[in-house]
Amino acid sequence: DAKTTQPTSMDCAEGRAANLPCNHSTISGNEYVYWYRQIHSQGPQYIIHGLKNNETNEMASLIITEDRKSSTLILPHATLRDTAVYYCIVRVAGGSGGGADGLTFGKGTHLIIQP
Amino acid sequence: NAGVMQNPRHLVRRRGQEARLRCSPMKGHSHVYWYRQLPEEGLKFMVYLQKENIIDESGMPKERFSAEFPKEGPSILRIQQVVRGDSAAYFCASATGSYEQYFGPGTRLTVT
Repeated sequence: DAKTTQPTSMDCAEGRAANLPCNHSTISGNEYVYWYRQIHSQGPQYIIHGLKNNETNEMASLIITEDRKSSTLILPHATLRDTAVYYCIVRVAGGSGGGADGLTFGKGTHLIIQP
Repeated sequence: NAGVMQNPRHLVRRRGQEARLRCSPMKGHSHVYWYRQLPEEGLKFMVYLQKENIIDESGMPKERFSAEFPKEGPSILRIQQVVRGDSAAYFCASATGSYEQYFGPGTRLTVT
């Protein structure tokens, strides 16, 4: 799986959009970008994933650059409960073609939402 | 649809005892993953199982650790002769085999 680089920590004001960057310059054509987060002491939580098109769900939006070398996770209206460590992970998709292997978690970005 | 369930949530063992951690995947999920998170460290993949098969155990310590996912019942992560360095949070995740994994709340193992 390709390596990812994320800032160690970020602050964001409550109610504002939180934009979390991730660099993955060695990403391969068949690798997806996944985002998970871990709120203190809890199990990691899946947020969103994408291949090359921008994606949006009820939790967040994922913007992937055209060259796919970087991406940004956007939490549109951050709340105090969004304080967590956010992990950007690049991996081949699962399914019968393989890629259903374990996730490789880096150090992630510690996002702190300020009241 | 209940999420991934793990029990016990907290487990205390003395050095030399055995620890058994259980994971019930989400309904319809046939893929189970175990991860370990040592204090102040990141999550590390340990093992990936499908029903009755170990698919990838590249992250498992070579000794004292084993895992199974029987045809019936939960997946079990077993640690024999625990040592203080085994103290950690152990997380289980399940998936249908494609895309996202869903994690349980974890078992906190403390070895005294």
